[in-house]
Amino acid sequence: AQSVTQLDSHVSVSEGTPVLLRCNYSSSYSPSLFWYVQHPNKGLQLLLKYTSAATLVKGINGFEAEFKKSETSFHLTKPSAHMSDAAEYFCVVKSSASKIIFGSGTRLSIRP
Amino acid sequence: NAGVTQTPKFRILKIGQSMTLQCTQDMNHNYMYWYRQDPGMGLKLIYYSVGAGITDKGEVPNGYNVSRSTTEDFPLRLELAAPSQTSVYFCASSPSGGRAGQETQYFGPGTRLLVL
Repeated sequence: AQSVTQLDSHVSVSEGTPVLLRCNYSSSYSPSLFWYVQHPNKGLQLLLKYTSAATLVKGINGFEAEFKKSETSFHLTKPSAHMSDAAEYFCVVKSSASKIIFGSGTRLSIRP
Repeated sequence: NAGVTQTPKFRILKIGQSMTLQCTQDMNHNYMYWYRQDPGMGLKLIYYSVGAGITDKGEVPNGYNVSRSTTEDFPLRLELAAPSQTSVYFCASSPSGGRAGQETQYFGPGTRLLVL
C-alpha cells in the first residue's frame, strides 16, 4: 500500500526567506516521488522528481528536494521565497501507471 | 505543441444530465489519465489508459466511463450527473508508465463542473 502525507496544509513565509514544505510517504515498493505546483485556476506543473538516482533533486525556479529513505521523507525547499511562488504544492508518490497517490496539498503564501 | 487541452473550461449540469469532457494531447503520449480534484484535496485517479483501445479503472471510477479510440483523445463520460460529481477534472498524459511510474505527467488546464 502507498500513502503520502503533506504535514502542513498552509505555510506562510516572508519574501526572501527560506521555504520548507514537508512530505512523508509510505510505499511497499521503491517509488518515484514528485512535487507539482498549481497556480490558481491552472493545471499542475512538475517542479521536480526523484527516480532512484541522486537523492538531492534540483527542480525549476530554485526549488529542490531531498529523498531520505530512513525518514521516508521528501521535503521541498527553496532558499529564498519570491512572490510568484505563492501557489498550491502537491507531493505525489507513484509506483506504476495506476498506483498514483497525491497528497492533500500545501498552500504557500508569501508575505511582502 | 499545445500539450494537453481540455474542453469545456466550465460547465453547469442538472442532476441526471449527461456530458462528455474532452481531452486531447499532441505529444504522441501512450498513457493518459483522468483525475478529479475536490476542494482542499489532492487529485484522485478516475480512469487511465496505456494506449489506444486499452483503459482501466483508477481509484474512483464509479459514475464515469472512458474510451480511447485514438492516441490523441481520451474523453470522459458522465452518464447521470450527481451533485457528488461537482469537482474540477484534470486530464494528463505521459510517454509511458516507466519503471516505478517515473515518467512525468503533463496536465491540462482542467474542467470545472458544477452539478445542481
